[in-house]
Amino acid sequence: LAKTTQPISMDSYEGQEVNITCSHNNIATNDYITWYQQFPSQGPRFIIQGYKTKVTNEVASLFIPADRKSSTLSLPRVSLSDTAVYYCLLYGSGNTGKLIFGQGTTLQVKP
Amino acid sequence: GAGVSQTPSNKVTEKGKYVELRCDPISGHTALYWYRQSLGQGPEFLIYFQGTGAADDSGLPNDRFFAVRPEGSVSTLKIQRTERGDSAVYLCASSLNPGTEYGYTFGSGTRLTVV
Repeated sequence: LAKTTQPISMDSYEGQEVNITCSHNNIATNDYITWYQQFPSQGPRFIIQGYKTKVTNEVASLFIPADRKSSTLSLPRVSLSDTAVYYCLLYGSGNTGKLIFGQGTTLQVKP
Repeated sequence: GAGVSQTPSNKVTEKGKYVELRCDPISGHTALYWYRQSLGQGPEFLIYFQGTGAADDSGLPNDRFFAVRPEGSVSTLKIQRTERGDSAVYLCASSLNPGTEYGYTFGSGTRLTVV
């Protein structure tokens, strides 16, 4: 059973910033928040992971408030190629690596 | 190889038949995972191998499903007496270090259709 809740779908336009929020009220102390991206006919691909505050890489930023009960994936200036499903997962350090995926958020970027 | 390779990419079989799905992980990755993804859903965990042994097979839905990894590299997912409900994309992932998020690489999957 997925331990995260995120919107089923979102629409955006090219050039806009997209923020996808994920709720994880029961996050454990040793859980990291991980986001994956999946394009049609491909397997999921790691985007970003964080524990608290803010993490930024060349693809996205991840904002995590102090209580860690939610997180927001921010995609700057999206393009049509960012149309994909985005999954928010909790990953406990030291576990076997079994990833529990929810339904994800389908992001549709329009021209 | 450079990535995780899964063959075949597509498989159509008749109900009741036996199928084998192959996963060739990244060279040197000791951890290997199988997932199943139905249309519109996220991937669902099936089984995890560490080396040759199945460390966690709690996701296998029933005894028609079985997976092996005899030499600690290539893995085969075997499905007996296939049912229409087995139709899905079967994904394989491998990892050098399951303790970090960066180690997971997924293949493109095998789309299984049972008719």
